Amino acid sequence: DQQVKQNSPSLSVQEGRISILNCDYTNSMFDYFLWYKKYPAEGPTFLISISSIKDKNEDGRFTVFLNKSAKHLSLHIVPSQPGDSAVYFCAASWFGRGGGNKLTFGTGTQLKVEL
Amino acid sequence: DVKVTQSSRYLVKRTGEKVFLECVQDMDHENMFWYRQDPGLGLRLIYFSYDVKMKEKGDIPEGYSVSREKKERFSLILESASTNQTSMYLCASSPGTGGSNQPQHFGDGTRLSIL
Repeated sequence: DQQVKQNSPSLSVQEGRISILNCDYTNSMFDYFLWYKKYPAEGPTFLISISSIKDKNEDGRFTVFLNKSAKHLSLHIVPSQPGDSAVYFCAASWFGRGGGNKLTFGTGTQLKVEL
Repeated sequence: DVKVTQSSRYLVKRTGEKVFLECVQDMDHENMFWYRQDPGLGLRLIYFSYDVKMKEKGDIPEGYSVSREKKERFSLILESASTNQTSMYLCASSPGTGGSNQPQHFGDGTRLSIL
């Protein structure tokens, strides 16, 4: 049962345009959501996160939006740069019995930013 | 900066061998995790540990065990390696305090091939 879903395996955008990566979740216990970026032959690196008490968090070119009623979050990258080409993983967690600091990951979206 | 070091980047073993994957973190984190990453499946949690000598099963623990004798070191053990355990293995750590809003920090992974 995939509790965190990234339905687009790949996305291609032009340099300078907006990249929008989407993620859906099913577990209403999740209260913290994260995005990780992964280059080939490297481990995932933390990018940005959002708590369930917020609907938006911004850090430079990266903004994450959370729609709790729809159980949907998205990552916006503006403007997109060639160095942003990587696999992006959405992850979710909750604190408390059965949750702890465990992360549940989506299957990833391969972003390609073209010149 | 947090550093999570995995002992090998690439490893080739034979079916039936006992395999040890080692992970060390240098930030005094309480929590440590082992994941495997497979194409189309994202990152899946194998085992995790909240403290020395403590361990809990993740989503796919079958065929694996772990050891945490010291706080900074978390070992993943494949008791009798099989070809379906060929994968990228990722270790991560995170602080144990602060509720759920604690990103995990990852090592660069071990690409394990079982022949």
